[in-house]
Amino acid sequence: QVQLVESGGGLVKPGGSLRLSCTASGFTFTDYYMSWIRQAPGKGLEWVSYITSSYTYTNYADSVKGRFTISRDNAKKSLYLQMNSLRADDTAVYYCARGGGSTVTVPPDYWGQGTLVTVSS
Amino acid sequence: QSALTQPASVSGSPGQSIAISCTGTSSDLGAYDYVSWYQQHPGKAPKLMIYDVSNRPSGVSNRFSGSKSGNTASLTISGLQAEDEADYYCSSYTTSSTRIFGGGTKLTVL
Repeated sequence: QVQLVESGGGLVKPGGSLRLSCTASGFTFTDYYMSWIRQAPGKGLEWVSYITSSYTYTNYADSVKGRFTISRDNAKKSLYLQMNSLRADDTAVYYCARGGGSTVTVPPDYWGQGTLVTVSS
Repeated sequence: QSALTQPASVSGSPGQSIAISCTGTSSDLGAYDYVSWYQQHPGKAPKLMIYDVSNRPSGVSNRFSGSKSGNTASLTISGLQAEDEADYYCSSYTTSSTRIFGGGTKLTVL
């Protein structure tokens, strides 16, 4: 069965950095693009970033562009999100999600349970 | 890019049908047939219910259906059941090769 397990969340001060990880199992990791999607407390979903299966293409929401970097290690079946210059409005549960296939137009079909990032002094 | 527009809440009685609308622009909903819908119960991860406007993933009840006209998409749930009470989000691929979500709709089963 498909499993996505996020880790790395926690409390960080404004301006600080954090690296999120997501470990995948139950499917052929290299067949899928991967995404990060976040949800602020009590708010809706916000797409953050995706990376294609062969690392060839990444894209970011304007709200995180230049501050966040998505990456993946296909050998370790892992997805990462390096978050720098964190702000209070980055506070959210961050979900790792499997793309619906190798094509980025297919929506994410499996999501992890999320990891909470809190940015506060 | 602004979020897709959804009603904040809808409600219906068991057995009834309800529809949730999702309005976007020519840069997202109107550009492609890449509209999807997610269901999210409190404290849980979202679950994909509809993709490419009207397709259901394996295991999703046929009580859920989707449609689109121009810049507006709709999710219809027929034969409402108590377990359908949840938040629902629409999503679309965009002409900027990004993904956008709606603000979410809380469905209450009376």
